Amino acid sequence: AQSVTQPDIHITVSEGASLELRCNYSYGATPYLFWYVQSPGQGLQLLLKYFSGDTLVQGIKGFEAEFKRSQSSFNLRKPSVHWSDAAEYFCAVDQANRDDKIIFGKGTRLHILP
Amino acid sequence: ETGVTQSPTHLIKTRGQQVTLRCSSQSGHNTVSWYQQALGQGPQFIFQYYREEENGRGNFPPRFSGLQFPNYSSELNVNALELDDSALYLCASTWGLNNEQFFGPGTRLTVL
Repeated sequence: AQSVTQPDIHITVSEGASLELRCNYSYGATPYLFWYVQSPGQGLQLLLKYFSGDTLVQGIKGFEAEFKRSQSSFNLRKPSVHWSDAAEYFCAVDQANRDDKIIFGKGTRLHILP
Repeated sequence: ETGVTQSPTHLIKTRGQQVTLRCSSQSGHNTVSWYQQALGQGPQFIFQYYREEENGRGNFPPRFSGLQFPNYSSELNVNALELDDSALYLCASTWGLNNEQFFGPGTRLTVL
């Protein structure tokens, strides 16, 4: 079965420190890959997406992600986090040709220490 | 601001009742998807409508149904509500297929 795994339920980093959130997917072909952020009680905001081409993609708010086909991974990174980055982050796979379409991971809650 | 609105913001129902949730998309967005997000979980795909016809469905029973209208609005209907239907329901819209989706803020449904 297709799946998206975010192995870290919670991550805590200090403000100004670097961040990496992990995402692994299971899918036969190269999927469309996304990272979304969700603040408490809010909908989802797209941070970045990968469809094809350059495997290092830049997103909003200083985030970037790298697609590694050999590892089936699409990890999200930020060189220096800000207190406002505290939120829930979701990795998602869009399986355009399947009836069940987009699959989300269970999310990683990011906590920022002052 | 994604231009996608949902109503109501919050809703409380009792088990066995029926509920209709509404979504208004940006003009030109002819694809709408609905998701259920239980507390502490990622969103789960319910179904997608493209040009007013269902275009894919996740693992949800038939008591979850939808409609999409020509004016870029849509509805999610849930019959015979169960306690486990308590969740945040999100709609997302886009133009065509396989494009970036724009999410609404969601409707928080509580079933007692």
